Amino acid sequence: GAGVSQTPSNKVTEKGKYVELRCDPISGHTALYWYRQSLGQGPEFLIYFQGTGAADDSGLPNDRFFAVRPEGSVSTLKIQRTERGDSAVYLCASSPTGPQGMAFFGQGTRLTVV
Amino acid sequence: DAKTTQPNSMESNEEEPVHLPCNHSTISGTDYIHWYRQLPSQGPEYVIHGLTSNVNNRMASLAIAEDRKSSTLILHRATLRDAAVYYCILRQPNTGNQFYFGTGTSLTVIP
Repeated sequence: GAGVSQTPSNKVTEKGKYVELRCDPISGHTALYWYRQSLGQGPEFLIYFQGTGAADDSGLPNDRFFAVRPEGSVSTLKIQRTERGDSAVYLCASSPTGPQGMAFFGQGTRLTVV
Repeated sequence: DAKTTQPNSMESNEEEPVHLPCNHSTISGTDYIHWYRQLPSQGPEYVIHGLTSNVNNRMASLAIAEDRKSSTLILHRATLRDAAVYYCILRQPNTGNQFYFGTGTSLTVIP
């Protein structure tokens, strides 16, 4: 498809386990963003990639969270030693470079830590 | 850091116009004003954006105040499918163009 694809759509994991969330952006989009959304809240910024590099990772809550985008396309958000508080919907978006470009969001991955 | 303020909720009758306000008093000259909406259980969806002039597209209109410290998203005829949370966001080139979401305005459309 032509949109942003996130996999899996749902993930249930046990506390303390490691998880990886994948984002396939729209082809040609150089900017990629990860957000986390808790129930009733707006999306919370986590990290922003411009090409392969993390241009801003100031939103990552702690060092258990890490994201990569090795070839400037697909990105993976990695969470180590998951905690129940990590339960949320994780959203990915991509856009062309520049402040006037519209962003396209995926449907999100719902992560539940039990 | 959302940098925008919006009412928490609004209601509209179906087929009537809706004006959703947003204040962004700290906007700088290069910041673009974007609006996104999020339907239940979906990712945010682009609605419209502008810099200085009013903008129209098939979904909505964006009216930007002359001093750019506020803007209004206008849905010309609300439908039940427009019930969503609407986010007003400043996209700031000097800080990387990230989208910082606030809590948005939850729009209820009454049949």
